[in-house]
Amino acid sequence: SQQGEEDPQALSIQEGENATMNCSYKTSINNLQWYRQNSGRGLVHLILIRSNEREKHSGRLRVTLDTSKKSSSLLITASRAADTASYFCATVMEYGNKLVFGAGTILRVKS
Amino acid sequence: DTAVSQTPKYLVTQMGNDKSIKCEQNLGHDTMYWYKQDSKKFLKIMFSYNNKELIINETVPNRFSPKSPDKAHLNLHINSLELGDSAVYFCASGTTGGAQTQYFGPGTRLLVL
Repeated sequence: SQQGEEDPQALSIQEGENATMNCSYKTSINNLQWYRQNSGRGLVHLILIRSNEREKHSGRLRVTLDTSKKSSSLLITASRAADTASYFCATVMEYGNKLVFGAGTILRVKS
Repeated sequence: DTAVSQTPKYLVTQMGNDKSIKCEQNLGHDTMYWYKQDSKKFLKIMFSYNNKELIINETVPNRFSPKSPDKAHLNLHINSLELGDSAVYFCASGTTGGAQTQYFGPGTRLLVL
């Protein structure tokens, strides 16, 4: 079964707006990662946050992690049309050795 | 300079046939993976190899047989293809344990008729 559940399933915004995607998971984790998948392409790693971290930034990306609620959020600021893609969270369980992916959020940024 | 490459990109075949997908990585990673992404975009791990040794085998029918001739290559052979095998298959590579970043290939779109 999927470890992660993502919310919303789909999101449509205007260029320049911020996009927020959420991910919830079920078991204790070692780390949580976010990936982007453009249509017809492979997944690209965006950012990794460890279980002892609460927030990380990378360019226009901000990721938060709340281990007490078993949830994470990905914020993309000042979105661009090129950000249109599917975004997946993936977790590595504590003592685990594999990534378990959520169902993904489809983001559409309209120009 | 592709980091993780897969061939072929598209594969259309008849039920019952046997087919192979090849994967190569030039990142020097010691672990390679096969994932299956279904029509609803769910991505699920199938196999993982570390230094040519199978370390993850996720309840995959034994019609699927991975082979790793060296740590830079991980091929997937599928016997007696079924309609339900239609999906996109991704190869990925990473460092030991799968706890760090994984790098994905472009995918092989398999359609079984």
